[in-house]
Amino acid sequence: QVQLVQSGAEVKKPGASVKVSCKASGYSFTKYAMHWVRQAPGQGLEWMGWFNADNHNTKYSQNFQDRVTISMDTSASTAYMELSSLRFEDTAVYYCVRDSGRDWLLEYWGQGTLVTVSS
Amino acid sequence: EIVLTQSPGTLSLSPGERATLSCRASQSVSSSYLAWYQQKPGQAPRLLIYDASSRATGIPDRFSGSGSGTDFTLTISRLEPEDFAVYYCHQYGTSPLTFGQGTKVEIK
Repeated sequence: QVQLVQSGAEVKKPGASVKVSCKASGYSFTKYAMHWVRQAPGQGLEWMGWFNADNHNTKYSQNFQDRVTISMDTSASTAYMELSSLRFEDTAVYYCVRDSGRDWLLEYWGQGTLVTVSS
Repeated sequence: EIVLTQSPGTLSLSPGERATLSCRASQSVSSSYLAWYQQKPGQAPRLLIYDASSRATGIPDRFSGSGSGTDFTLTISRLEPEDFAVYYCHQYGTSPLTFGQGTKVEIK
């Protein structure tokens, strides 16, 4: 079965960067895109961007355009999301999400990684 | 960007009652690419409905979705204790992908 296992919680200082990993199993990694969605404490869901493993295209939300990098290591079946210039308001749970393969339906979710930005 | 507005913000109901959740889009959702998710505290969202009206694998038939264009509805025919949670609508037809702000279904 499809499983997405994310790296553990992180605590970072303002201005630093964080890189969250997402190890995939149970499917052909290169046939699907991986998205990243975040959720601030007590808030709703916010799409950050995606990486197409087939053609290595990326697309980012304009809200994160200059600060986020989404990548994949196909040999390790692992996706990554790096967010730079962290601010207090970046404190959130970050999810990797595999889409359906036929469209951008966010089908399978990782367990989430809490990133806390604190001085 | 397509803005999704969910109503009501909170729905207070008793087990066995019917729940009707609304999601309105600021512009037409391409190909009815509208999904509904359920989220419980400390858990990742769970896909319930996709393509506006198709149930995801393993989702009970008390959950149903309807609508097209800009107006969509999630109906839970008879609330079970495990259904009390937050529900989000989500459009995946146009980039950037967007979510509604959520409707909390709470026990009355």
